[in-house]
Parts: sequence; structure tokens; C-alpha cells
Amino acid sequence: GQQVQQSPTSLVLQEGENAELQCNFSTSLNSMQWFYQRPGGSLVSVFYNPSGTKQSGRLTSTTVIKERRSSLHISSSQITDSGTYLCAMEGAMLSGSFNKLTFGAGTRLAVCP
Amino acid sequence: EAAVTQSPRSKVAVTGGKVTLSCHQTNNHDYMYWYRQDTGHGLRLIHYSYVADSTEKGDIPDGYKASRPSQENFSLILELASLSQTAVYFCASRAKNLSAETLYFGSGTRLTVL
Repeated sequence: GQQVQQSPTSLVLQEGENAELQCNFSTSLNSMQWFYQRPGGSLVSVFYNPSGTKQSGRLTSTTVIKERRSSLHISSSQITDSGTYLCAMEGAMLSGSFNKLTFGAGTRLAVCP
Repeated sequence: EAAVTQSPRSKVAVTGGKVTLSCHQTNNHDYMYWYRQDTGHGLRLIHYSYVADSTEKGDIPDGYKASRPSQENFSLILELASLSQTAVYFCASRAKNLSAETLYFGSGTRLTVL
């Protein structure tokens, strides 16, 4: 089945530093999303980015389909960015994983003052 | 505003007992999903559904049943709860065509099996 590997597992930053989170997929990709989860909380979508580069404020996501990877860049980190970031992929239409969203284990980010 | 409501928010069950987790969405979405999350781990897909009265097995369906009696409601049933099923369970819904912000999650149900 499809697998999603995220790195790093955890990350500690000083406020103001930048972060680069990675997501690698084992199968062909139809779409992918990045989610943010507060400790003990629900998940909210941060980016839907099946290909190319998208930016929203201090967040930038880049997905390279051929290389089966996606990244989330956080610039000028803030304390409120702390939490877990998860990526999720949907396999290509003929992969048997279409319509099934598979999540990575997440990157736990802590931003300190 | 799109919403996914899960109930109960938390539950303590005894080993061997039956547990039903409920999910209700007002998004008019076709697809609904049940995931479990274990401490320090990502989400794993248990069951999902494309349409009312039909469910599909996800990656870890053993020990779980699902029911989709209507477009709005999707239940997860543990017929014989076991200790290993202690986890946080999330329900989600999305529109037919995945696009920006179309996957909505409930707040989760924390299940403890003793």
C-alpha cells in the first residue's frame, strides 16, 4: 500500500527561525494536503498542493510529483506555529488508493521564545 | 459554515463491550472517513464511505465496523472493544473532488478501553 514518510519527526526552533518539513510518498500521487494539529486538537487544512509551489503568508508548500515529495517551509517562525504538521496523500486514480487519504506520522514543531 | 460533529467527545469502555462512535456532517459532502490516532503517531484510515448505505475498508479495518445510514451520518462500531483500540478517533468529510480546504475534521473522540 501507499506509504508516507515525514521528516524530521520533531523540531525545536527559536522564534524567528525558519523550518523545512518534508514529506515523501511511495506511490504515484493524485493530490496531497498539509494539515496542522494543535496538541490534543483537531486538524485544519494548511495547504492543498498537488503540484508546484503555493504560498500563504509565511508558509510555502512545494510538491514535486516526479520525485514523489512535498515540503512545507515556515519562515520567521512564531510561538503560535507550535504543533504537529501532517501531510496526507491521495494515490493516483489507477493505483487502488484513489479516494483514500493516507497520512504521514507528522512533524512535531516547538517554537520557543 | 461547514461542520463535522463527533459524539461523544470522550468515552471509557470496558474490554469486550460494544462502542459506537457517531459522526454528523452538515457539509453536504459525499465522502466520509474514520481515522484513529495513537499518541505520537499520524492518522490511520479505518473505514470510509463514498455514498449512503455503502462503506469501504481502509488500512486497519479489523475489529471495526462502519455504518452510513444517510449522507450526513457515519458511525464507527466496535463490537468487542479491546485494550488496543484505546486511541483518539477522528471523523472527516470531503466533497467529491478534492480541492483546497474540502477535507473537514471533527474534534475527535478520545476512547479509553479498560
